[in-house]
Amino acid sequence: TQLLEQSPQFLSIQEGENLTVYCNSSSVFSSLQWYRQEPGEGPVLLVTVVTGGEVKKLKRLTFQFGDARKDSSLHITAAQPGDTGLYLCAGFMDSNYQLIWGAGTKLIIKP
Amino acid sequence: DTAVSQTPKYLVTQMGNDKSIKCEQNLGHDTMYWYKQDSKKFLKIMFSYNNKELIINETVPNRFSPKSPDKAHLNLHINSLELGDSAVYFCASSQGQFSGYTFGSGTRLTVV
Repeated sequence: TQLLEQSPQFLSIQEGENLTVYCNSSSVFSSLQWYRQEPGEGPVLLVTVVTGGEVKKLKRLTFQFGDARKDSSLHITAAQPGDTGLYLCAGFMDSNYQLIWGAGTKLIIKP
Repeated sequence: DTAVSQTPKYLVTQMGNDKSIKCEQNLGHDTMYWYKQDSKKFLKIMFSYNNKELIINETVPNRFSPKSPDKAHLNLHINSLELGDSAVYFCASSQGQFSGYTFGSGTRLTVV
Protein backbone atom coordinates (compact mmCIF):
# COMPACT_ATOMS: atom_id res chain seq x y z
CA THR A 1 0.00 0.00 0.00
CA GLN A 2 1.37 3.37 -1.08
CA LEU A 3 1.35 5.90 1.76
CA LEU A 4 1.78 8.72 -0.76
CA GLU A 5 -0.33 8.46 -3.90
CA GLN A 6 0.67 10.56 -6.87
CA SER A 7 -1.66 11.31 -9.75
CA PRO A 8 -1.65 11.16 -12.61
CA GLN A 9 1.06 8.56 -13.12
CA PHE A 10 1.66 9.83 -16.64
CA LEU A 11 0.80 13.10 -18.39
CA SER A 12 1.61 14.20 -21.92
CA ILE A 13 0.52 17.69 -23.01
CA GLN A 14 1.36 20.38 -25.51
CA GLU A 15 3.70 23.26 -24.81
CA GLY A 16 1.85 26.24 -23.38
CA GLU A 17 -0.83 24.27 -21.51
CA ASN A 18 -1.31 24.29 -17.74
CA LEU A 19 -1.25 21.18 -15.56
CA THR A 20 -1.58 20.05 -11.97
CA VAL A 21 0.04 17.04 -10.31
CA TYR A 22 -1.30 15.72 -7.01
CA CYS A 23 0.27 14.00 -4.03
CA ASN A 24 -2.26 12.56 -1.56
CA SER A 25 -2.21 10.60 1.67
CA SER A 26 -4.36 9.70 4.63
CA SER A 27 -1.36 10.35 6.89
CA VAL A 28 -0.13 13.67 8.26
CA PHE A 29 3.29 14.90 7.19
CA SER A 30 5.52 17.32 9.07
CA SER A 31 6.93 18.51 5.75
CA LEU A 32 6.73 17.58 2.11
CA GLN A 33 9.27 17.87 -0.68
CA TRP A 34 8.98 17.92 -4.46
CA TYR A 35 11.75 16.66 -6.73
CA ARG A 36 12.27 16.51 -10.50
CA GLN A 37 14.27 13.69 -12.04
CA GLU A 38 15.55 13.75 -15.62
CA PRO A 39 16.66 10.60 -17.49
CA GLY A 40 20.06 9.35 -16.38
CA GLU A 41 20.20 11.69 -13.40
CA GLY A 42 19.24 11.70 -9.75
CA PRO A 43 16.21 13.57 -8.36
CA VAL A 44 16.76 17.29 -7.78
CA LEU A 45 14.98 19.06 -4.94
CA LEU A 46 12.57 21.76 -6.13
CA VAL A 47 10.89 22.86 -2.93
CA THR A 48 10.04 21.94 0.66
CA VAL A 49 6.69 22.94 2.19
CA VAL A 50 6.25 22.83 5.94
CA THR A 51 3.16 24.76 7.06
CA GLY A 52 -0.40 23.65 6.34
CA GLY A 53 -1.85 25.84 3.58
CA GLU A 54 1.58 27.03 2.51
CA VAL A 55 2.04 28.12 -1.10
CA LYS A 56 5.45 28.45 -2.72
CA LYS A 57 6.25 29.63 -6.22
CA LEU A 58 9.27 28.77 -8.33
CA LYS A 59 8.93 30.72 -11.60
CA ARG A 60 6.03 28.97 -13.42
CA LEU A 61 5.72 26.25 -10.77
CA THR A 62 3.34 26.69 -7.82
CA PHE A 63 3.44 24.27 -4.90
CA GLN A 64 0.74 24.02 -2.26
CA PHE A 65 0.62 22.06 1.00
CA GLY A 66 -2.86 21.07 2.16
CA ASP A 67 -4.33 22.68 5.26
CA ALA A 68 -4.31 19.34 7.08
CA ARG A 69 -0.77 18.53 5.83
CA LYS A 70 -2.01 15.31 4.18
CA ASP A 71 -1.73 16.37 0.56
CA SER A 72 0.12 18.64 -1.84
CA SER A 73 -0.15 19.84 -5.41
CA LEU A 74 2.20 21.11 -8.07
CA HIS A 75 0.77 23.42 -10.72
CA ILE A 76 2.74 24.35 -13.83
CA THR A 77 1.65 27.33 -15.88
CA ALA A 78 2.44 27.52 -19.60
CA ALA A 79 4.42 24.28 -19.61
CA GLN A 80 7.61 24.15 -21.65
CA PRO A 81 9.56 21.17 -23.06
CA GLY A 82 12.21 21.80 -20.40
CA ASP A 83 9.64 20.86 -17.75
CA THR A 84 9.69 17.27 -19.02
CA GLY A 85 10.73 14.81 -16.33
CA LEU A 86 9.65 12.58 -13.48
CA TYR A 87 8.13 14.56 -10.62
CA LEU A 88 8.40 12.94 -7.19
CA CYS A 89 6.85 13.98 -3.90
CA ALA A 90 8.28 12.83 -0.58
CA GLY A 91 7.11 13.55 2.93
CA PHE A 92 8.31 13.17 6.48
CA MET A 93 5.62 11.45 8.51
CA ASP A 94 4.66 12.95 11.86
CA SER A 95 4.44 9.52 13.42
CA ASN A 96 7.86 8.07 12.68
CA TYR A 97 9.88 10.77 10.87
CA GLN A 98 10.64 8.48 7.95
CA LEU A 99 10.83 10.00 4.46
CA ILE A 100 8.07 8.42 2.39
CA TRP A 101 8.23 8.64 -1.40
CA GLY A 102 5.47 8.75 -3.96
CA ALA A 103 5.75 6.63 -7.11
CA GLY A 104 6.15 9.70 -9.34
CA THR A 105 4.39 11.44 -12.21
CA LYS A 106 6.06 11.18 -15.60
CA LEU A 107 5.46 14.45 -17.44
CA ILE A 108 6.12 14.99 -21.14
CA ILE A 109 5.72 18.41 -22.71
CA LYS A 110 5.54 18.28 -26.49
CA PRO A 111 6.81 21.26 -28.52
CA ASP B 1 32.20 20.83 -8.75
CA THR B 2 29.96 17.80 -8.18
CA ALA B 3 28.20 17.79 -4.79
CA VAL B 4 27.43 14.06 -4.59
CA SER B 5 29.46 11.87 -6.90
CA GLN B 6 29.12 8.13 -7.31
CA THR B 7 31.12 5.70 -9.39
CA PRO B 8 30.82 3.85 -11.62
CA LYS B 9 27.95 5.27 -13.71
CA TYR B 10 27.33 1.88 -15.34
CA LEU B 11 28.17 -1.58 -14.03
CA VAL B 12 27.57 -4.80 -15.93
CA THR B 13 28.54 -8.00 -14.15
CA GLN B 14 27.76 -11.69 -13.96
CA MET B 15 25.66 -13.44 -11.37
CA GLY B 16 27.60 -14.47 -8.31
CA ASN B 17 30.17 -11.70 -8.54
CA ASP B 18 30.95 -9.20 -5.78
CA LYS B 19 30.96 -5.50 -6.64
CA SER B 20 31.23 -2.11 -4.93
CA ILE B 21 29.77 1.29 -5.72
CA LYS B 22 31.50 4.34 -4.30
CA CYS B 23 29.91 7.59 -3.14
CA GLU B 24 31.45 10.85 -1.98
CA GLN B 25 29.83 14.14 -0.98
CA ASN B 26 31.58 17.49 -0.60
CA LEU B 27 28.65 19.34 0.98
CA GLY B 28 29.62 18.73 4.58
CA HIS B 29 26.31 16.93 5.15
CA ASP B 30 26.09 14.66 8.17
CA THR B 31 23.73 12.03 6.78
CA MET B 32 24.20 9.86 3.68
CA TYR B 33 21.85 7.36 2.04
CA TRP B 34 21.63 4.58 -0.48
CA TYR B 35 18.47 4.19 -2.54
CA LYS B 36 17.40 1.58 -5.09
CA GLN B 37 15.19 2.71 -7.99
CA ASP B 38 13.40 -0.09 -9.75
CA SER B 39 12.16 -0.28 -13.33
CA LYS B 40 8.93 1.48 -12.31
CA LYS B 41 10.99 4.39 -10.95
CA PHE B 42 9.99 3.77 -7.34
CA LEU B 43 12.67 4.89 -4.87
CA LYS B 44 13.31 2.53 -1.97
CA ILE B 45 15.59 3.43 0.93
CA MET B 46 18.27 0.85 1.63
CA PHE B 47 20.56 2.43 4.20
CA SER B 48 21.38 5.72 5.83
CA TYR B 49 24.39 6.75 7.87
CA ASN B 50 24.58 9.61 10.33
CA ASN B 51 28.00 10.39 11.76
CA LYS B 52 29.20 6.92 10.73
CA GLU B 53 26.34 5.21 12.54
CA LEU B 54 23.77 3.15 10.70
CA ILE B 55 20.41 4.66 11.58
CA ILE B 56 18.10 3.06 9.03
CA ASN B 57 18.50 -0.44 7.70
CA GLU B 58 15.44 -1.49 5.73
CA THR B 59 14.76 -5.14 4.90
CA VAL B 60 17.45 -5.56 2.31
CA PRO B 61 19.39 -8.82 1.86
CA ASN B 62 22.52 -9.05 3.96
CA ARG B 63 24.45 -9.45 0.71
CA PHE B 64 24.30 -5.66 0.67
CA SER B 65 26.60 -3.90 3.11
CA PRO B 66 27.25 -0.17 3.46
CA LYS B 67 30.73 0.96 4.41
CA SER B 68 31.53 4.47 5.58
CA PRO B 69 35.24 5.20 6.05
CA ASP B 70 34.45 8.82 6.98
CA LYS B 71 31.63 11.36 7.04
CA ALA B 72 32.06 12.24 3.34
CA HIS B 73 31.95 8.70 1.97
CA LEU B 74 29.37 5.92 1.96
CA ASN B 75 30.19 2.96 -0.26
CA LEU B 76 27.89 0.07 -1.10
CA HIS B 77 29.28 -3.45 -1.34
CA ILE B 78 27.22 -6.24 -2.84
CA ASN B 79 28.11 -9.92 -2.53
CA SER B 80 26.91 -12.79 -4.71
CA LEU B 81 25.00 -10.62 -7.16
CA GLU B 82 21.63 -11.89 -8.40
CA LEU B 83 19.57 -11.04 -11.48
CA GLY B 84 17.03 -9.23 -9.28
CA ASP B 85 19.68 -6.81 -8.09
CA SER B 86 19.62 -5.11 -11.49
CA ALA B 87 18.42 -1.54 -10.90
CA VAL B 88 19.68 2.01 -10.59
CA TYR B 89 21.31 2.75 -7.23
CA PHE B 90 21.43 6.31 -5.94
CA CYS B 91 23.57 7.81 -3.24
CA ALA B 92 22.22 10.91 -1.48
CA SER B 93 23.10 13.19 1.40
CA SER B 94 21.33 15.68 3.64
CA GLN B 95 22.10 17.99 6.51
CA GLY B 96 20.14 16.23 9.20
CA GLN B 97 17.36 13.71 8.64
CA PHE B 98 14.65 16.26 7.85
CA SER B 99 16.31 18.41 5.21
CA GLY B 100 16.12 18.10 1.45
CA TYR B 101 18.27 15.44 -0.13
CA THR B 102 21.04 15.94 -2.71
CA PHE B 103 21.34 12.93 -4.99
CA GLY B 104 24.18 11.57 -7.06
CA SER B 105 23.58 10.79 -10.73
CA GLY B 106 23.09 7.08 -10.11
CA THR B 107 24.77 3.78 -10.92
CA ARG B 108 22.94 1.51 -13.35
CA LEU B 109 23.72 -2.05 -12.29
CA THR B 110 22.97 -4.84 -14.73
CA VAL B 111 23.45 -8.42 -13.61
CA VAL B 112 23.64 -10.97 -16.44
